[in-house]
Amino acid sequence: AQKVTQAQTEISVVEKEDVTLDCVYETRDTTYYLFWYKQPPSGELVFLIRRNSFDEQNEISGRYSWNFQKSTSSFNFTITASQVVDSAVYFCALSEDGGYSGGSNYKLTFGKGTLLTVNP
Amino acid sequence: DVKVTQSSRYLVKRTGEKVFLECVQDMDHENMFWYRQDPGLGLRLIYFSYDVKMKEKGDIPEGYSVSREKKERFSLILESASTNQTSMYLCASRKQGAWTGELFFGEGSRLTVL
Repeated sequence: AQKVTQAQTEISVVEKEDVTLDCVYETRDTTYYLFWYKQPPSGELVFLIRRNSFDEQNEISGRYSWNFQKSTSSFNFTITASQVVDSAVYFCALSEDGGYSGGSNYKLTFGKGTLLTVNP
Repeated sequence: DVKVTQSSRYLVKRTGEKVFLECVQDMDHENMFWYRQDPGLGLRLIYFSYDVKMKEKGDIPEGYSVSREKKERFSLILESASTNQTSMYLCASRKQGAWTGELFFGEGSRLTVL
């Protein structure tokens, strides 16, 4: 069974600090997908990034960067120079390859989320 | 702009009432999902549907049923609401395919059962 662990329940930083959100996953599949979502106070989850298991390149998008390491089953998310608008709950998620045949492999398993508060 | 719309943002119901939560997406997505979100528990999958009239239980289906009569609409039904079903309910949809895993979420429906 697939599992996602976000050990940090809450993190509080001061604006302009860098912050890393940890994500550790478990899966028996060799093909899988990892995601990060942001849930601001308004409630709607916003997709941030998708990574497939064959692509271990780190990715940077503006102040956001992601470090994917299969050896440690981790997919960590770093925000550089944090801002108050980054305050949100962040979810890491895992989806195994469902192929085209349907079935339970289509589901996305989420971690419990990390509440990030960025103080001015 | 892609859109997943949930019919009600806030609902208050009484124990034993039948509750319908509606979700509509305009992206022609095959897959649709219902999650519930509770503090400290994250998002847990209730049911999902990978195509019209197809449904599969998620991790916590007890006390819920679903209906997918049309591709764009996925309904979550609480046959007899109970106080432990007070929660935030999130609907999501996704295009079918091995490489397209992004879920699009609605704004959520916060249900309170008294």
